[in-house]
Amino acid sequence: NAGVTQTPKFQVLKTGQSMTLQCAQDMNHEYMSWYRQDPGMGLRLIHYSVGAGITDQGEVPNGYNVSRSTTEDFPLRLLSAAPSQTSVYFCASSYGTGVNGYTFGSGTRLTVV
Amino acid sequence: AQSVTQLDSQVPVFEEAPVELRCNYSSSVSVYLFWYVQYPNQGLQLLLKYLSGSTLVESINGFEAEFNKSQTSFHLRKPSVHISDTAEYFCAVSVPNTGGFKTIFGAGTRLFVKA
Repeated sequence: NAGVTQTPKFQVLKTGQSMTLQCAQDMNHEYMSWYRQDPGMGLRLIHYSVGAGITDQGEVPNGYNVSRSTTEDFPLRLLSAAPSQTSVYFCASSYGTGVNGYTFGSGTRLTVV
Repeated sequence: AQSVTQLDSQVPVFEEAPVELRCNYSSSVSVYLFWYVQYPNQGLQLLLKYLSGSTLVESINGFEAEFNKSQTSFHLRKPSVHISDTAEYFCAVSVPNTGGFKTIFGAGTRLFVKA
C-alpha cells in the first residue's frame, strides 16, 4: 500500500518559472489537501478538495492552483514561482474531512532562486 | 477564530527521563484534537487523537495525551523517552467548517533526546 505519493522530492526553480507538484493516493480518500511548512510556522493550508471536481482555497492560496479530476490525484501548480514560495510542501489525504486524522506524503522541498 | 499554541519550540531531555510537550487551543466550538510526529526528512504521521469519550488517549509507542476542556489543553506526555523519540511534534485541532472540518496546526515542538 503506497499511501500518499509525492513527486518530485526536491526541486529548484528560477523566479518566474512554473511547475506542478504531483500528489497521488491509493486509499480512496475523498479529502485531499496541500500544506506548506515553514520554520516556526507549522503547516499552513494552501488548497483542499472534498472530492473529485471540488476544490477550495485554504489560508495561503495566492500563487497556487489546483484541480481534482480523479479521486486519486491532486496536483498543485505554481503559476510563476517567487522566492517566497521556497518551502516544504506536503500533500495529505483523509477519509472524511480530517476528523479522523490525515495521511501525509513525504514532502517536496522546493527552492526558488 | 481558532488557534493552536505549542508553548515550547524546543525541548531537550535526557534518555529515560519523562517529557511533556504542551499544547493549548482556543475555540468557541467543540474540537477534535491530534498529535502528529515528524521524523527528519519525512512527512507527518498521526501519533494519537481525541475524538470523544475518555479524555486520556494513548499511542502504541508509549505516548499519551489528556484532553482538558476547562484549560483548553491537550498536552503530550511520555514517562520515559528513547533516543528514537527525537523528532518534531505537532498539535492540531479540527473544528467544524463549511463543508466539513478545518484543521489548524501548531508551530511544532522539537524534542531532542540526549544520551
